[in-house]
Amino acid sequence: DIQMTQSPPSLSASVGDRVTITCRPSQSIATFLNWYQQKPGKAPRLLVYSTSTLQSGVPSRFSGSGSGTDFSLTITSLQPEDSATYYCQQSHTVPFTFGPGTKVEIK
Amino acid sequence: QLQLQESGPGLVKPSETLSLICTVSGGSISDSPYNWDWIRQSPGKGLESIGTIYYRGTTLYSPSLNSRVTMSVDTSENQFSLKLSSVTAADTAVYFCARRRRQMGYFDYWGQGVLVTVSS
Repeated sequence: DIQMTQSPPSLSASVGDRVTITCRPSQSIATFLNWYQQKPGKAPRLLVYSTSTLQSGVPSRFSGSGSGTDFSLTITSLQPEDSATYYCQQSHTVPFTFGPGTKVEIK
Repeated sequence: QLQLQESGPGLVKPSETLSLICTVSGGSISDSPYNWDWIRQSPGKGLESIGTIYYRGTTLYSPSLNSRVTMSVDTSENQFSLKLSSVTAADTAVYFCARRRRQMGYFDYWGQGVLVTVSS
């Protein structure tokens, strides 16, 4: 299986801050990388697919980039409603695997 | 708006079979660009893909669960199901059903999830 790592495991930032989360798969996955946001007690919500395509309805402050084994999700101006855990997921090789998550808190 | 809803027992005894159904509404399970998946989430293992099924019945299971998993689809009821046999406490998790875009592999619609606890 492709192992996914994320950093940092958690972060605390202020409203308006720029936040970047990194995801690194254990082998190259081209651009088959997706990002999800999950709030407590809820299902994950798709934010970005195929590395950089924003899912419909997702605010433009979210963006994704990368390729191969190095990916990132950026929130350009953090908002209170962005408090959540963020997961990356590779869709290059079955079984599709998820990262361990990055918990984002608002200061 | 597509909606998915999991249903099934919230408590299963060790060594027994966990059975869940996902009912799809607001769209057809026979839409060709999509597969239908089960994913679980436990504190110890995070998000874990269990398996996937296409409306024609083609399945693919996670290698780590392959020997215990069976998925099926009922297009007339717009439902798909999961059976996980010989469960242990390690199978305690929130189980989600989700729709997956076939080629790009992302999950764009999810059910709300159902907590299944394995305990005697």
